[in-house]
Amino acid sequence: EAQVTQNPRYLITVTGKKLTVTCSQNMNHEYMSWYRQDPGLGLRQIYYSMNVEVTDKGDVPEGYKVSRKEKRNFPLILESPSPNQTSLYFCASSLRGGHPQHFGDGTRLSIL
Amino acid sequence: QKEVEQNSGPLSVPEGAIASLNCTYSDRGSQSFFWYRQYSGKSPELIMSIYSNGDKEDGRFTAQLNKASQYVSLLIRDSQPSDSATYLCAVFRGRDDKIIFGKGTRLHILP
Repeated sequence: EAQVTQNPRYLITVTGKKLTVTCSQNMNHEYMSWYRQDPGLGLRQIYYSMNVEVTDKGDVPEGYKVSRKEKRNFPLILESPSPNQTSLYFCASSLRGGHPQHFGDGTRLSIL
Repeated sequence: QKEVEQNSGPLSVPEGAIASLNCTYSDRGSQSFFWYRQYSGKSPELIMSIYSNGDKEDGRFTAQLNKASQYVSLLIRDSQPSDSATYLCAVFRGRDDKIIFGKGTRLHILP
């Protein structure tokens, strides 16, 4: 089954404690991306990757890092999380092009 | 002016009628446009893409694009209660080719 898998699904943590949200896809897609969704602000792109070792900033990259060492994985790293990063995060992939075709189930992050 | 603007709704449509969802965008250089459906508590799903002026049909869905007027719309024919969801419009911004989503329109199909 084609899928994008994110982990964890839920996380409550504290300010400043580094965390990583993993994302993996089994469709051999070139393009992967991360989004955050906030009430009143909608879905906003954080980072995207067009292929292995190729990443670029989306609209709201501040406070986040990503890496793309393998085609299937695209982890999102929060080096020093802050409360304003409390949000619902989605990872997505697509075969080609920048628009997401398949989304993961989401990760709800709460930073206290 | 917001980059991608949608009426937040809710838009209430009787079952069997046509639901019309609208989206306007500010960057005249935008070339690629998409509609996503998001059920409450779920992740978005891609339902339509459109790149050229005019209409594009896929089953009960029709996407319409008018670049001169900078709007894109989604029509849902024979609306069903299962179409009740939030519909997100997404546009690739012309100036830097980054994807921007509208805040979404909540659609409620009345049985």
